[in-house]
Amino acid sequence: AQSVSQHNHHVILSEAASLELGCNYSYGGTVNLFWYVQYPGQHLQLLLKYFSGDPLVKGIKGFEAEFIKSKFSFNLRKPSVQWSDTAEYFCAVINNNAGNMLTFGGGTRLMVKP
Amino acid sequence: EAEVAQSPRYKITEKSQAVAFWCDPISGHATLYWYRQILGQGPELLVQFQDESVVDDSQLPKDRFSAERLKGVDSTLKIQPAELGDSAMYLCASSSRTSEETQYFGPGTRLLVL
Repeated sequence: AQSVSQHNHHVILSEAASLELGCNYSYGGTVNLFWYVQYPGQHLQLLLKYFSGDPLVKGIKGFEAEFIKSKFSFNLRKPSVQWSDTAEYFCAVINNNAGNMLTFGGGTRLMVKP
Repeated sequence: EAEVAQSPRYKITEKSQAVAFWCDPISGHATLYWYRQILGQGPELLVQFQDESVVDDSQLPKDRFSAERLKGVDSTLKIQPAELGDSAMYLCASSSRTSEETQYFGPGTRLLVL
């Protein structure tokens, strides 16, 4: 079965620090990749997505992610975090050969200290 | 901006009682999803509808859970009887025919079973 792994469950950073959250998936076929964010008290929001083309994807709020097919990875990055980035981040994958079933990772809770 | 609506936002019930959650997807979205998110984990798909038809309910515990989308618009998820382990956030999402891979999430219903 397809699985998505987020290795960092909790991350604490100071403002202006750089961020990289890891995401690895198990399926070897064609996939669509997503990062969702959930701010405290709010619903899941799409941060960015990758379907095809340039493996470096830019999303909202200065976030970007790089798809490395050989590593089955889709890591999320931001060069300089802000206190307002405090949230839970979820990586998710669609296996294109299995309909539109979205498989989520376990999430990474990011806390940014002011 | 159109959003997925869910109600109630919070529900407390006793075990063995019946509970029901309602979801109204973004207008025009043909595909509707119900997810369960246990605290500290990523969302897991319970059921997927395309219009009024069930596309995937392989992860739905059918002995106690049921879902319907009779007119292909809004949807209801029911649990009867509720068990302690059902305590979780229940999320609804929808996607359009032209961009099925991108799902938009509602605020969720947080269920506590006592």
